[in-house]
Amino acid sequence: KAGVTQTPRYLIKTRGQQVTLSCSPISGHRSVSWYQQTPGQGLQFLFEYFSETQRNKGNFPGRFSGRQFSNSRSEMNVSTLELGDSALYLCASSFGGGANTEAFFGQGTRLTVV
Amino acid sequence: DQQVKQNSPSLSVQEGRISILNCDYTNSMFDYFLWYKKYPAEGPTFLISISSIKDKNEDGRFTVFLNKSAKHLSLHIVPSQPGDSAVYFCAARPTSGTYKYIFGTGTRLKVLA
Repeated sequence: KAGVTQTPRYLIKTRGQQVTLSCSPISGHRSVSWYQQTPGQGLQFLFEYFSETQRNKGNFPGRFSGRQFSNSRSEMNVSTLELGDSALYLCASSFGGGANTEAFFGQGTRLTVV
Repeated sequence: DQQVKQNSPSLSVQEGRISILNCDYTNSMFDYFLWYKKYPAEGPTFLISISSIKDKNEDGRFTVFLNKSAKHLSLHIVPSQPGDSAVYFCAARPTSGTYKYIFGTGTRLKVLA
């Protein structure tokens, strides 16, 4: 069974630009969450989607947005990039349905804003 | 406001000995806890979890202990192996039925051969 796939793996953007990151969850998983990891900050929750609906949102500005498609694939968009947005962005997929199951992470997209 | 805290940024242990990683949380409503391991340039890998209705869960060399009254959980690795060297994150779920996890800042474990 294929794992969580994130594309691209690495990205360099200029301040002010926008970026879209993609995540394909494990087949059969309906919940997709996004996290930002920066040095010393651990993983910060961005948002979670389940069946195309945003179910939870973290404390990030409106420049960070996401969506989920009918096949459970998800995209995350960051507009008007700032230097502080440089981070590893991780996507995690879960079966969903509220069971006590773990989330499986992709390898992440390393975003560098210059 | 860090609701999940890992106060030790790093830990060194001799191969074959026990590694104990600690995690404290502030919200008594957390109902599910997980430990993840992360190698550089890879995503976190799930290790072990525990529901708030239990106080211990064991899986091979890994055991997680939960002390609800102290709002503390710990991960024991016995025996420690060099391949266990990684960053370990604890995570807590604040609301049942969702997959929003609150993560700690991680502890870097180095197992010395």
